[in-house]
Amino acid sequence: GNSVTQMEGPVTLSEEAFLTINCTYTATGYPSLFWYVQYPGEGLQLLLKATKADDKGSNKGFEATYRKETTSFHLEKGSVQVSDSAVYFCALFDQTGANNLFFGTGTRLTVIP
Amino acid sequence: KAGVTQTPRYLIKTRGQQVTLSCSPISGHRSVSWYQQTPGQGLQFLFEYFSETQRNKGNFPGRFSGRQFSNSRSEMNVSTLELGDSALYLCASSWTGTENYEQYFGPGTRLTVT
Repeated sequence: GNSVTQMEGPVTLSEEAFLTINCTYTATGYPSLFWYVQYPGEGLQLLLKATKADDKGSNKGFEATYRKETTSFHLEKGSVQVSDSAVYFCALFDQTGANNLFFGTGTRLTVIP
Repeated sequence: KAGVTQTPRYLIKTRGQQVTLSCSPISGHRSVSWYQQTPGQGLQFLFEYFSETQRNKGNFPGRFSGRQFSNSRSEMNVSTLELGDSALYLCASSWTGTENYEQYFGPGTRLTVT
């Protein structure tokens, strides 16, 4: 079946530190992969996506590369800011299976000045 | 372009009551999905509607139901509320729901069952 395993949090970093949030997946078909971000009191916002192997998604300084050989989609940012504090969700959509997103458990990131 | 809107934003109900939540998708989007978010279970898929038809359903009891109108607006209903139904209910819309599945989420309705 489909599932997403995400790095446990919470993660606390100092401003300008390097961020990595690990995400691995299991899928029955050829999934598209996503990172969503949820700020306090808000819904989910699409941060970036990749639709096939070796694709790199990027947005707002965040990047993630679709690695089929390791079934991973790790989120990275070179220099985090206080405004990046939020909960990050890795998700997959398998077009050959159920027509919905499967989410990881979320990783809470806190960036301190 | 207006985003996904959900009403109400907050709701307090008593065990045994029923509740209806509303979602208006982005203009032109025809697929609407509903998710339940709780601290213990995370984000779980409830159901998806496309062109007024339920196309996909998650693993929730029959107390959870939904519908979609001809203008793509959707409602979900929970009958005989239980304490465990307390959650943030998120609605998401997309063009068709089948191509790369880029979904846009609303702010959610926070339901508290007492």
